[in-house]
Amino acid sequence: DAGVIQSPRHEVTEMGQEVTLRCKPISGHDYLFWYRQTMMRGLELLIYFNNNVPIDDSGMPEDRFSAKMPNASFSTLKIQPSEPRDSAVYFCASSSPGTLMGQPQHFGDGTRLSIL
Amino acid sequence: GESVGLHLPTLSVQEGDNSIINCAYSNSASDYFIWYKQESGKGPQFIIDIRSNMDKRQGQRVTVLLNKTVKHLSLQIAATQPGDSAVYFCAEIGSPSGSARQLTFGSGTQLTVLP
Repeated sequence: DAGVIQSPRHEVTEMGQEVTLRCKPISGHDYLFWYRQTMMRGLELLIYFNNNVPIDDSGMPEDRFSAKMPNASFSTLKIQPSEPRDSAVYFCASSSPGTLMGQPQHFGDGTRLSIL
Repeated sequence: GESVGLHLPTLSVQEGDNSIINCAYSNSASDYFIWYKQESGKGPQFIIDIRSNMDKRQGQRVTVLLNKTVKHLSLQIAATQPGDSAVYFCAEIGSPSGSARQLTFGSGTQLTVLP
């Protein structure tokens, strides 16, 4: 079975540019999560969706960050405009319905984002 | 605020020995815990989980122990192999919390298996 698929794997761009990260969750999973990982702050939950609806976006750092889930098989995380402090690895995770608290979450291999 | 933290940032063990990775948590309302393994360049991979109504759970070569009295969690890996080298995270879900599905991750322990 295909796991969570993220693209691109690496992104290098200049500050001020728009960045779009993409995620395809595991088929049949109804929860989708976006995380950011840095050395200083570890893994932080940014936002999560249930059945394509955003449930909690309290972890989104600023209005520059936005996330959408137009359908059950695709989600995007957008940063506009990007800043050097946004440099991190961004992970997408999904989990299946009917499990204990929607766990465990299955993670993609992340997008390593560098903002110059 | 509530947090999950690890006692040791790094751990080195000889191949074939057993490994023990520890985790302390501060939210006494936490009722579900997960251990994840993260290899370089990859996302966290689920290893094993445990609910607060249990104190021990075993998987293949791994055992998780939960001591609610002292709010301590440990992951034991038997016969550690080179492929076990990775960063290990504990994570918890507090209940009640803003969302029952939000995982709070610890800072991680780097396990290095020596030949």
